[in-house]
Amino acid sequence: ELKVEQNPLFLSMQEGKNYTIYCNYSTTSDRLYWYRQDPGKSLESLFVLLSNGAVKQEGRLMASLDTKARLSTLHITAAVHDLSATYFCAVDVSYSGGGADGLTFGKGTHLIIQP
Amino acid sequence: GAGVSQSPSNKVTEKGKDVELRCDPISGHTALYWYRQRLGQGLEFLIYFQGNSAPDKSGLPSDRFSAERTGESVSTLTIQRTQQEDSAVYLCASSSRLAGRGTQYFGPGTRLLVL
Repeated sequence: ELKVEQNPLFLSMQEGKNYTIYCNYSTTSDRLYWYRQDPGKSLESLFVLLSNGAVKQEGRLMASLDTKARLSTLHITAAVHDLSATYFCAVDVSYSGGGADGLTFGKGTHLIIQP
Repeated sequence: GAGVSQSPSNKVTEKGKDVELRCDPISGHTALYWYRQRLGQGLEFLIYFQGNSAPDKSGLPSDRFSAERTGESVSTLTIQRTQQEDSAVYLCASSSRLAGRGTQYFGPGTRLLVL
């Protein structure tokens, strides 16, 4: 059974600081996704990582994927209050026949950025 | 264009009643997914529809849960004889074959409370 673990699950940080959220998964996959969820809202797609070594950046967020280590990171640079949200990573193994067709999500990292 | 829509947005029901949740995917998206999100948790995959193929029901938690989809359009998720542990947000997502399965676009969710 595929397990996806995020850490930390809760993070409070100050504006201007840098931090990294980690996503580990337990089976081979080279398809990993990051989503953002604001309170009471649905999920918004942030990044799609489709190969080993993939790195994508959007504003103050940068995501990377190391398929050999089964690890993805979401790095926040010079955090601002607007980035406060819950961030989920999700892994897709459907293409390899390794599991169900849906994505397997981590439990999410609840990020609070204080002024 | 319009995104994924879901109805109702909120539903309160009594234990033992049946409920029906509706999802309208993005027009032209062949793939449709249902997920469940319990309070403070990540998303649990429930069921996946792809075109006219038989759905992947591997995530449905019990035989009280069922879902249907008419062609490549509307889907309904039915929960029979609801239990309190069914209380959650039920999210629907759709994706297109061109975008790949992981780029799923989520609806706003239906918040279900079973009393």
